[in-house]
Amino acid sequence: QSVLTQPPSVSAAPGQKVTISCSGSSSNIGNNYVSWYQQLPGTAPKLLIYDNNKRPSGIPDRFSGSKSGTSATLGITGLQTGDEADYYCGTWDSSLSPNYVFGTGTKVTVL
Amino acid sequence: QVQLVQSGAEVKKPGASVKVSCKASGYTFTSYDINWVRQATGQGLEWMGWMNPNSGNTGYAQKFQGRVTITRNTSISTAYMELSSLRSEDTAVYYCARGYRRVRSYWFDPWGQGTLVTVSS
Repeated sequence: QSVLTQPPSVSAAPGQKVTISCSGSSSNIGNNYVSWYQQLPGTAPKLLIYDNNKRPSGIPDRFSGSKSGTSATLGITGLQTGDEADYYCGTWDSSLSPNYVFGTGTKVTVL
Repeated sequence: QVQLVQSGAEVKKPGASVKVSCKASGYTFTSYDINWVRQATGQGLEWMGWMNPNSGNTGYAQKFQGRVTITRNTSISTAYMELSSLRSEDTAVYYCARGYRRVRSYWFDPWGQGTLVTVSS
C-alpha cells in the first residue's frame, strides 16, 4: 500500500494539457526530491523527471515537474497518442529505513 | 549505451527460491547503486531494496526483510536478487534499475527489461 497518492486516471484530447498530482507527507515528499516515471504498455518504466523538475537528456520539454510542500505535480503539454501510459512518482520515505516509495500510479488516456 | 539486461522468466513452486540476474554494460558497474523493484500484474511499482556494488552494502524494504538478498559479481558486472519462501503473491515482474544517489534525492535510470516470476503449484 503506497503512501504517495495519485489520481487513478486523467484524460484529455490530443494537443491538450494534463496534470498529475502526487500527494505525500513530511516524511517523504516534504523533505526529499521527487522523480517521475513513464511506463508504456508492456514495457519497463522510464525516467521522466528527477530532482522535482529536471529532465534527463532526450525527454521533451512537454514534460515538466514541480513540488510544493508535501505534493508534487507532473505536467504534460501538447498531449500525443504516444503519451498514453501509466505514470508514477517516487521518493524516499524516512518514516521507515530504508524505504523508497512509489505513487499509486496514474493512467493517462488520450481521447 | 548504458544497459541492464535481466535473466529470463522463471516458474517456481510455493516455498521455493528464485534468483534473478541483472547484467550491466556501458558504464562502471561499481559507480552506481542497483535497485530491485517489482510489479504484480495490473498493479503499481513496489521497491524491494538496493545495493552498492562497490562496497556490497545493501538495504531492504521492511516488507521483504529476511526473504530477499541482493548480491553482485563485480568481475562480470552482474547483480542478483534472490527471493526465498515464495508464495503466490510473489508472482510479478521483477525489475532491476540503476540508482542515482544525491543528498535527499534518488532516482532510477535506466531500468532492466523485467523478469516474470510465476509462483504456482
